[in-house]
Amino acid sequence: QKEVEQNSGPLSVPEGAIASLNCTYSDRGSQSFFWYRQYSGKSPELIMFIYSNGDKEDGRFTAQLNKASQYVSLLIRDSQPSDSATYLCALEGSYKLIFGSGTRLLVRP
Amino acid sequence: DAMVIQNPRYQVTQFGKPVTLSCSQTLNHNVMYWYQQKSSQAPKLLFHYYDKDFNNEADTPDNFQSRRPNTSFCFLDIRSPGLGDAAMYLCATSRGGTGSYEQYFGPGTRLTVT
Repeated sequence: QKEVEQNSGPLSVPEGAIASLNCTYSDRGSQSFFWYRQYSGKSPELIMFIYSNGDKEDGRFTAQLNKASQYVSLLIRDSQPSDSATYLCALEGSYKLIFGSGTRLLVRP
Repeated sequence: DAMVIQNPRYQVTQFGKPVTLSCSQTLNHNVMYWYQQKSSQAPKLLFHYYDKDFNNEADTPDNFQSRRPNTSFCFLDIRSPGLGDAAMYLCATSRGGTGSYEQYFGPGTRLTVT
């Protein structure tokens, strides 16, 4: 049974700071990882995916994958109040996504 | 723009009255998924179609059924909705194939059961 663990938060950071969101997973064989952002009452929006060890950057977002330690992180630089949302970590298994329960991020103006 | 569309966005039904939710996609993706999401919980996969192949999750109640008449459309049928079925229902698509696992979600249908 593949599992994905996230701290539910809320993680509170001041505007302009770096927000660091973390996720651990149980299946050492997992290969593909995803970060979704979900605003209250809206559907999840894919913001990053990462398949290889190391860092992947896209604008203010950086995903980090460490397969040896079985964790994946999302860094948000220059956090804005509009980044306040729940961030869902997911991994792929047999064309299905296994989601964590999400971390709520609050960016204070 | 290529996208995933869900109709209706809000649906109110009575206890026990069948309801159908619709999803369409212009991405030409092979895989379509239905998820149920309740407040403060992660999306829960109900089933998915890979092309015409239907894949049901083991814990999806029989009350939930799905149809995919063509590549573009997929329907979720709830045969006898109970109060516990009130939730957001999310449709998602994925291209399928090795190395292409990203899923893209539609806006969701909020179901209320009275």
